[in-house]
Amino acid sequence: SAVISQKPSRDICQRGTSLTIQCQVDSQVTMMFWYRQQPGQSLTLIATANQGSEATYESGFVIDKFPISRPNLTFSTLTVSNMSPEDSSIYLCSVATGGGSNQPQHFGDGTRLSIL
Amino acid sequence: KNQVEQSPQSLIILEGKNCTLQCNYTVSPFSNLRWYKQDTGRGPVSLTIMTFSENTKSNGRYTATLDADTKQSSLHITASQLSDSASYICVVSAEEYGNKLVFGAGTILRVKS
Repeated sequence: SAVISQKPSRDICQRGTSLTIQCQVDSQVTMMFWYRQQPGQSLTLIATANQGSEATYESGFVIDKFPISRPNLTFSTLTVSNMSPEDSSIYLCSVATGGGSNQPQHFGDGTRLSIL
Repeated sequence: KNQVEQSPQSLIILEGKNCTLQCNYTVSPFSNLRWYKQDTGRGPVSLTIMTFSENTKSNGRYTATLDADTKQSSLHITASQLSDSASYICVVSAEEYGNKLVFGAGTILRVKS
């Protein structure tokens, strides 16, 4: 399975600032995703990171707040912009290594973000 | 209403005992149902993936069952170990959502010695 590295693993940020989270995979993958996991809640898909084109955002998430880049098949970034305490959460990168809907999806260990 | 509901919300068992976690879903039609284990401070790790035509799948001491007619799944853990302490998440891949994953809230399992 793919090895996924996320940086930073955690951060404490000031209100109004922005933070960029990096996701590096040790092999080329077809799909990369960004999720949010709020305390005690299930994972929610933010967007699908598309290589070479704009990310596909889910309802309730917008590009201005969560800009995403995917310059190649092994790397993606998620920026959390103009942060507020409500953005305190775990942000997880996920990848699908094959085609088809029955392929496993692998997750990084997440970035734990606290906004003061 | 949650499309994937899990029970119990949390569970404490003694080391060596067996336990069963439940998952009910309303997503239909679905492509597959997955169980993930998420240790504290880590990302979810896949345990099993079952398509609608499969009714059981094992991964070591973990056995998942699926009843597509009643839209229920269970995860049975045999001879529990302290390292089984984690959140267990039921996930459904739904055709109507472009095969995106719909996550349950998870069952928090604590295994005591």
